[in-house]
Amino acid sequence: DAGVTQSPTHLIKTRGQQVTLRCSPKSGHDTVSWYQQALGQGPQFIFQYYEEEERQRGNFPDRFSGHQFPNYSSELNVNALLLGDSALYLCASRSRRQVQGPLHFGNGTRLTVT
Amino acid sequence: AQSVTQLDSQVPVFEEAPVELRCNYSSSVSVYLFWYVQYPNQGLQLLLKYLSGSTLVKGINGFEAEFNKSQTSFHLRKPSVHISDTAEYFCAVSEGMSASKIIFGSGTRLSIRP
Repeated sequence: DAGVTQSPTHLIKTRGQQVTLRCSPKSGHDTVSWYQQALGQGPQFIFQYYEEEERQRGNFPDRFSGHQFPNYSSELNVNALLLGDSALYLCASRSRRQVQGPLHFGNGTRLTVT
Repeated sequence: AQSVTQLDSQVPVFEEAPVELRCNYSSSVSVYLFWYVQYPNQGLQLLLKYLSGSTLVKGINGFEAEFNKSQTSFHLRKPSVHISDTAEYFCAVSEGMSASKIIFGSGTRLSIRP
């Protein structure tokens, strides 16, 4: 049973560029959340998707956007990259049917903005 | 607003010694509490969770945590650590188990000395 998978594992972009990160949730999960983890800090909630719509959002600018597909996979898009966007981006999934089920995290995409 | 404070950024201990990682939270509503572990270059793995009931919660890898409502604390303990426990540990809180928005602390790096 594959867990949460993220691609790519590493990415280097230049300031001002745009980036797309991808996530496939654990089998049976329908809800995907994205987190940003800066170096030496805890993860910060970006947003959550289920039923192909953004349901909750953290304190992140509109440069951060996402999408969820009918197969529950998800993308995180960041426009006009800033140096401060360099971080590990974590995707997490869960099933809404399992009310007390925990979040399952992927290994993340390490984004470096130069 | 919810918040989580991990009082120690780093905790060095000798192998087979006991360890306690401290966590305090603040919230105006009932909360659910978690401890996650992050090994190098990996995502987060759930160690244990407190939803309700017994205030002493047992998790994986021999870890346990005690919920103390009066002191708003959820400290993590292990009676005897191993080299393999070297990792970053995150305390986290959510307002509901079904919510994917989890607030993480800044983490405690546990380093085990032989």
